[in-house]
Amino acid sequence: DTAVSQTPKYLVTQMGNDKSIKCEQNLGHDTMYWYKQDSKKFLKIMFSYNNKELIINETVPNRFSPKSPDKAHLNLHINSLELGDSAVYFCASSRRTATDTQYFGPGTRLTVL
Amino acid sequence: AQSVTQPDIHITVSEGASLELRCNYSYGATPYLFWYVQSPGQGLQLLLKYFSGDTLVQGIKGFEAEFKRSQSSFNLRKPSVHWSDAAEYFCAVGDTNAGKSTFGDGTTLTVKP
Repeated sequence: DTAVSQTPKYLVTQMGNDKSIKCEQNLGHDTMYWYKQDSKKFLKIMFSYNNKELIINETVPNRFSPKSPDKAHLNLHINSLELGDSAVYFCASSRRTATDTQYFGPGTRLTVL
Repeated sequence: AQSVTQPDIHITVSEGASLELRCNYSYGATPYLFWYVQSPGQGLQLLLKYFSGDTLVQGIKGFEAEFKRSQSSFNLRKPSVHWSDAAEYFCAVGDTNAGKSTFGDGTTLTVKP
């Protein structure tokens, strides 16, 4: 039973394309997150949703748009991909807030050529 | 704003040797503190966490951490390292007001045979 799953695991695309990453959690958690991990392994939060409501929106380009159709799903859509978007994107969830343990998905490695 | 510093970017220890990974935090109130481990190609997994109570916290895989308020530290220790402990280790502080966790930049652990 996978707690937090992401698809796809790998994504290779050309500059300027639009792509989406999907995330699902079966833990019954209220809060979900998107993180970006760069090549130096620095981990930065991008967005957080609580019960489908956006609660954290860090300084992220408008080309990134999260969508939460229900509290078990949080998808990330990226428009007009740029070279600098290449990274590993992690989805995570927690029971309520970030003071609870976060459960991470396996990551999606995005490569923009 | 809260912050987390992991002073050691990379640590190498011999298998069977003891390990200590350092973490210093900056937070106004009583912090929620976490240590996560990221094995190669995987997402982060919680090792242990602290909010209140006993300042020495036991975690999974034989790890422990000690909260020292006077030093604003939450160092991770293991008495005898195994080759499978080679991974990236992240310290994090949870902010109840901001509703998010801030992660340190990580420490890469290499284990020599």
